[in-house]
Amino acid sequence: KQEVTQIPAALSVPEGENLVLNCSFTDSAIYNLQWFRQDPGKGLTSLLLIQSSQREQTSGRLNASLDKSSGRSTLYIAASQPGDSATYLCAVRDQGGKLIFGQGTELSVKP
Amino acid sequence: GAGVSQTPSNKVTEKGKYVELRCDPISGHTALYWYRQSLGQGPEFLIYFQGTGAADDSGLPNDRFFAVRPEGSVSTLKIQRTERGDSAVYLCASSQMGSLSYNEQFFGPGTRLTVL
Repeated sequence: KQEVTQIPAALSVPEGENLVLNCSFTDSAIYNLQWFRQDPGKGLTSLLLIQSSQREQTSGRLNASLDKSSGRSTLYIAASQPGDSATYLCAVRDQGGKLIFGQGTELSVKP
Repeated sequence: GAGVSQTPSNKVTEKGKYVELRCDPISGHTALYWYRQSLGQGPEFLIYFQGTGAADDSGLPNDRFFAVRPEGSVSTLKIQRTERGDSAVYLCASSQMGSLSYNEQFFGPGTRLTVL
């Protein structure tokens, strides 16, 4: 059974710092991996999607990497801003099409 | 609108009552997913539709939960004899095609269900 784990559960950094969020999964038979952002009381906003054949994806200040063989992904956020404060979720898509989520990392960027 | 919409945004009900939650996917998206998110947790899969049929309902917790998508667009999640443990945010997502690897899932804002 696929399990997704995110470390750390919470992270607080001063504005301007670069940071890395970690995601690990137990079964490497995934189709893709998505990183989402969730603001309090809101739905999920897709940030980046990495296909199983890809190693990384970039969008603006965000960079996500995927090492399928070791079951790991990282989300790198450069030059963090207070507006980046949110919960970040990673999810792997299994062969059946459904997403399996980690518990999320709650990020707080202090001005 | 262009995104996934869900109604109602909030639903408060009493234990034992029946509720229906609605999801309008992005136009043209053939795949539709329901997830449930409890406080402090990541979303958990409930059911997935490809067109009108349920392709995978393995996440439904018990037979009090049922979902339909009669015309391959709007879906309704139905919960009978609600229990306090059903309280959660119910999220709906859609994607253009169900099984291909590159299809991104787009999520609605969710329905917050509270069972008193």
